[in-house]
Amino acid sequence: DVKVTQSSRYLVKRTGEKVFLECVQDMDHENMFWYRQDPGLGLRLIYFSYDVKMKEKGDIPEGYSVSREKKERFSLILESASTNQTSMYLCASSPYRGSSYEQYFGPGTRLTVT
Amino acid sequence: GQQVMQIPQYQHVQEGEDFTTYCNSSTTLSNIQWYKQRPGGHPVFLIQLVKSGEVKKQKRLTFQFGEAKKNSSLHITATQTTDVGTYFCAGLTSGTYKYIFGTGTRLKVLA
Repeated sequence: DVKVTQSSRYLVKRTGEKVFLECVQDMDHENMFWYRQDPGLGLRLIYFSYDVKMKEKGDIPEGYSVSREKKERFSLILESASTNQTSMYLCASSPYRGSSYEQYFGPGTRLTVT
Repeated sequence: GQQVMQIPQYQHVQEGEDFTTYCNSSTTLSNIQWYKQRPGGHPVFLIQLVKSGEVKKQKRLTFQFGEAKKNSSLHITATQTTDVGTYFCAGLTSGTYKYIFGTGTRLKVLA
């Protein structure tokens, strides 16, 4: 079974803090994604990566950056957390670059910025 | 930009009733996927549709992809309490591997 793990289920941070969200997948997938999920808005893509050290902006990249130094790990960084970044963050992975395969999601991190 | 809308946003049904959620894209899609998210859980892949007019069934679930490949539907026959959750469609535009998720339909089933 594919397993996607995220470093924390719940996180509380203060405004202005730098926040790291970690995601690890164990199935050698090429593609990895970071989404945020807000009520009524569905899942919105922040960034995705189709290879090590490669990244592309999604629909809402402002205020975020990412890092993919190893194939299995994709990190989301909030450089200076703000209250409007309070949300559920979901990481996902899928196999084969450029293909249309199903995405496997992690359990999510609920981030609260106070 | 590209948008994928889903309706309805919420649906409450009595157990045993049917349920349908609709997904509409502003652009033509190369394929569409459906996911289910149980309360407190994460999205789980259900199915992928690729061909124009395609219909696929999974037990009580029927998925359709429109002829113009701009809309899709998920129909559940005789809902059960285990069907509770939020159903998302996700559309892929040709030339990208970036899926656009719909806003989701939250289904509640009353026993």
